[in-house]
Amino acid sequence: GQNIDQPTEMTATEGAIVQINCTYQTSGFNGLFWYQQHAGEAPTFLSYNVLDGLEEKGRFSSFLSRSKGYSYLLLKELQMKDSASYLCAVRDPRDTGRRALTFGSGTRLQVQP
Amino acid sequence: ETGVTQTPRHLVMGMTNKKSLKCEQHLGHNAMYWYKQSAKKPLELMFVYSLEERVENNSVPSRFSPECPNSSHLFLHLHTLQPEDSALYLCASSLSTSGSNEQFFGPGTRLTVL
Repeated sequence: GQNIDQPTEMTATEGAIVQINCTYQTSGFNGLFWYQQHAGEAPTFLSYNVLDGLEEKGRFSSFLSRSKGYSYLLLKELQMKDSASYLCAVRDPRDTGRRALTFGSGTRLQVQP
Repeated sequence: ETGVTQTPRHLVMGMTNKKSLKCEQHLGHNAMYWYKQSAKKPLELMFVYSLEERVENNSVPSRFSPECPNSSHLFLHLHTLQPEDSALYLCASSLSTSGSNEQFFGPGTRLTVL
């Protein structure tokens, strides 16, 4: 079976730093993705991790620990436009022949002035 | 604009209607996907096509029927739907189905079944 857990909602202040956690339990593992989805819009790709460690991309960073089944997305210098849902997704090679991504329910982030 | 388009953007249909959702990708990708997104629930994979070969999620009811005539186009044919099928239906594509190839999503079709 597969299970991906994320907090449902988070609130943070403009200019601050926020960390969104994701834990997963899957039969196999072949990469973890983070997507951003603004209300009423399509999810857009943010980051990909397949090896342990931190991947930095501008204000956004993503961390992975495969042994702990854990990832986080770090958002720095928060802006109002960062208010969105953040989706964690895992590629499990034992699920539908490595073709599928399994998504968490998403974390809705509200950035306040 | 992600390079993946979907039509219609909104659809209201009765339980006895037959309708189709269309997806087109302009990215030269080889894999295309249908997802269902319901309120408060994770994105749920419905179907995957890779090089026009279908991998089907066994939990999808037969009232949903996908069609992939070529690598750029994907359809989802709908018939005798139920109110609980009301959701956002998202199409996505990727270069391939493996590795770091991220999926690019279309804007979705908001479906309401009366």
